[in-house]
Amino acid sequence: GAVVSQHPSRVICKSGTSVKIECRSLDFQATTMFWYRQFPKQSLMLMATSNEGSKATYEQGVEKDKFLINHASLTLSTLTVTSAHPEDSSFYICSASQGPNAEAFFGQGTRLTVV
Amino acid sequence: GESVGLHLPTLSVQEGDNSIINCAYSNSASDYFIWYKQESGKGPQFIIDIRSNMDKRQGQRVTVLLNKTVKHLSLQIAATQPGDSAVYFCAENYSGAGSYQLTFGKGTKLSVIP
Repeated sequence: GAVVSQHPSRVICKSGTSVKIECRSLDFQATTMFWYRQFPKQSLMLMATSNEGSKATYEQGVEKDKFLINHASLTLSTLTVTSAHPEDSSFYICSASQGPNAEAFFGQGTRLTVV
Repeated sequence: GESVGLHLPTLSVQEGDNSIINCAYSNSASDYFIWYKQESGKGPQFIIDIRSNMDKRQGQRVTVLLNKTVKHLSLQIAATQPGDSAVYFCAENYSGAGSYQLTFGKGTKLSVIP
């Protein structure tokens, strides 16, 4: 299958700082990327859907000003957690798709810990 | 934020036995379903999928059954191995939305006893 890479795999940051997570499709062009959040022992919850070159669509309850998503190219989407708080500590996972209804491939996830 | 006291349902099976993991999905309009395996600290790994025009689909050691009447999905793993230990999630998609947006089920932790 296609490869999606997330970076970093783990990050620790201080409260009030911002942290950026990258999601790259390594061997295909991803017109659509999805960002999920997963708390311990819980399921994946969709945060937002981003299409290359346009603004991301956020799910209800997800603050777009706090979770900034940029999908500037067909192989890269970034999620920036701004003014991070301990309750933002979670496992963030992206997936990338070549187009509408095309299979989406998942990255390996990023463990964010805010101290 | 995180829910205190929340835990995943756990299924414990002996190595070599068959495992059955169940999932109830929420949207009657969903027409595409996927089972994922997630190992600790990793992203979901695709196992098998099924479309709503089918009731059953078989892969290597895995079978997915779909009952649209009661909105139920199951994953059967034959001859369960220690390497099958993980959390399993079902996911649903409505293709009419024009996106591969997935809604995940709660998950089941499978523990294989050697």
